[in-house]
Amino acid sequence: DTAVSQTPKYLVTQMGNDKSIKCEQNLGHDTMYWYKQDSKKFLKIMFSYNNKELIINETVPNRFSPKSPDKAHLNLHINSLELGDSAVYFCASNWGTGGNTIYFGEGSWLTVV
Amino acid sequence: ELKVEQNPLFLSMQEGKNYTIYCNYSTTSDRLYWYRQDPGKSLESLFVLLSNGAVKQEGRLMASLDTKARLSTLHITAAVHDLSATYFCAVRYTGNQFYFGTGTSLTVIP
Repeated sequence: DTAVSQTPKYLVTQMGNDKSIKCEQNLGHDTMYWYKQDSKKFLKIMFSYNNKELIINETVPNRFSPKSPDKAHLNLHINSLELGDSAVYFCASNWGTGGNTIYFGEGSWLTVV
Repeated sequence: ELKVEQNPLFLSMQEGKNYTIYCNYSTTSDRLYWYRQDPGKSLESLFVLLSNGAVKQEGRLMASLDTKARLSTLHITAAVHDLSATYFCAVRYTGNQFYFGTGTSLTVIP
């Protein structure tokens, strides 16, 4: 069983569209994250949720809206997609207390054309 | 401003050689992590360093942490082709925020 799973893995869409990426973890962790990796492989944290509550909200356009229906799921919805949104989006999770290592999903490759 | 910097950004080394990747961070932290990413793949955890002077080894990789210098190193011994990947360090800050370094793309050539 995949520990942190994301869907879809690949997504090609036109500018202006709205799209969602879903993430689920079966590790029992209480904290989930979204990271964005750009073409230069730079990884930047976007959001963090702990037990369904938003903990970290970095400087991200408000076109990006995370939703956590329960602590095992963290979805990312993106409105009005722009060319610059093209990147790999990684979902991740860990136990929030104690600074335990983060486990990453396989990534979702988003291409905006 | 929080900064986590790695050098070199790109490293091409011959099989059998030794080399060190450096990770400097700007603000005090109690945890330092190393990850590996293969092309087109996810990130895989390699090491977690929990205290000053911590050293961990796995195969040809050895990681160390100097919290006073805000420096971690990842030493590669007798490199082999299978070690070709991008290596990231990450630092944990207040509020369970993990910040990743710029990454070091390693290519091991025969």
